[in-house]
Amino acid sequence: QKEVEQDPGPLSVPEGAIVSLNCTYSNSAFQYFMWYRQYSRKGPELLMYTYSSGNKEDGRFTAQVDKSSKYISLFIRDSQPSDSATYLCAMYNAGGTSYGKLTFGQGTILTVHP
Amino acid sequence: KAGVTQTPRYLIKTRGQQVTLSCSPISGHRSVSWYQQTPGQGLQFLFEYFSETQRNKGNFPGRFSGRQFSNSRSEMNVSTLELGDSALYLCASSLGQLGGKLFFGSGTQLSVL
Repeated sequence: QKEVEQDPGPLSVPEGAIVSLNCTYSNSAFQYFMWYRQYSRKGPELLMYTYSSGNKEDGRFTAQVDKSSKYISLFIRDSQPSDSATYLCAMYNAGGTSYGKLTFGQGTILTVHP
Repeated sequence: KAGVTQTPRYLIKTRGQQVTLSCSPISGHRSVSWYQQTPGQGLQFLFEYFSETQRNKGNFPGRFSGRQFSNSRSEMNVSTLELGDSALYLCASSLGQLGGKLFFGSGTQLSVL
């Protein structure tokens, strides 16, 4: 079983819809949680960075972390065609010598159609 | 502020050859991490360097190696290339603290024929 599970989709929604992306994890040592967006032939772009349980909002994006359930989510409001990309959740074990090592989900392919 | 720069963007090599990839981090960042991305395995951590020292290493064979220079630029080398090494190689830079934000470059697409 993978440490981080993410539904690969694909997910197709109409423009303006609310999108919900989710990841579950099994390692309780994960303390920092990130969401990246990756366009085709590009590197991942950091969207959201959270540490504590709860919600964090940035524009149309809301990241939610529930450490007790080992579950994180990313919500995209008023989705746009330009949001079409692969969304990757990533987690960081901040203990020991885990420098630079993020554990990623498989990524969810999202398409927002006009 | 310039982002993370990786060169070259594309590489085509044949089995048995070796390859060197380059990464220039964001100005002021002293940590560089390397990742391999494939459709089947996703993003996997290779290693991390900080102030010219390797602090962390993933589960890859010794054919994969790296180094970091005094200006924080980093290179990654793969020797005796195999078909399975075909992947997008990404580097990420950060300030270097545990749990810090990682910023990725656009990657080097390596094809091994």
